[in-house]
Amino acid sequence: GEDVEQSLFLSVREGDSSVINCTYTDSSSTYLYWYKQEPGAGLQLLTYIFSNMDMKQDQRLTVLLNKKDKHLSLRIADTQTGDSAIYFCAPRGDSGAGSYQLTFGKGTKLSVIP
Amino acid sequence: DSGVTQTPKHLITATGQRVTLRCSPRSGDLSVYWYQQSLDQGLQFLIHYYNGEERAKGNILERFSAQQFPDLHSELNLSSLELGDSALYFCASSGTYGQGGADTQYFGPGTRLTVL
Repeated sequence: GEDVEQSLFLSVREGDSSVINCTYTDSSSTYLYWYKQEPGAGLQLLTYIFSNMDMKQDQRLTVLLNKKDKHLSLRIADTQTGDSAIYFCAPRGDSGAGSYQLTFGKGTKLSVIP
Repeated sequence: DSGVTQTPKHLITATGQRVTLRCSPRSGDLSVYWYQQSLDQGLQFLIHYYNGEERAKGNILERFSAQQFPDLHSELNLSSLELGDSALYFCASSGTYGQGGADTQYFGPGTRLTVL
């Protein structure tokens, strides 16, 4: 099955850019998602990218996809203290029966230093 | 607010007991996915229902079962509970099925289950 790897921790200063990286194994993943989880909260969808795209920009968020290397990254520009959270990369699988379960990495805990 | 609701928010029970977790999808969404988040296993897909029918199973134990009702809410039943079942249980809903597109999943706030 799909395997997703992320580094566990990232610490940045407020105002700097954050880059969270993810590698995955299933090259057939058609959509790849980024979710954010704040302490004690559910998963908030941040953005996603379709596999035939290299880049997607959404306000402060930029997603880069290197399909050949199966590498996905999320860049957050002008990182704020409110961005402190755990970020999950989640490629979408396809069971073949129209079921699109997500496979999650262990998440990257982003700490923003004021 | 994703529009997905889950009850209860917290549940504390003893080993060997049975519990039911409830999920109401976003208005109009026909798919409900269940996930478990634990410290050792991370976030894992359990099961997917579409319009009342089971569509896919992931790492779901035989002691666990789910169903989706005609009003599209779903319940996850956990029985013969063990200490290791303590986790956050999320449901997510999406609107499309087998139609391509992003089929984005929106997550509920989760139910935190503690087994003592």
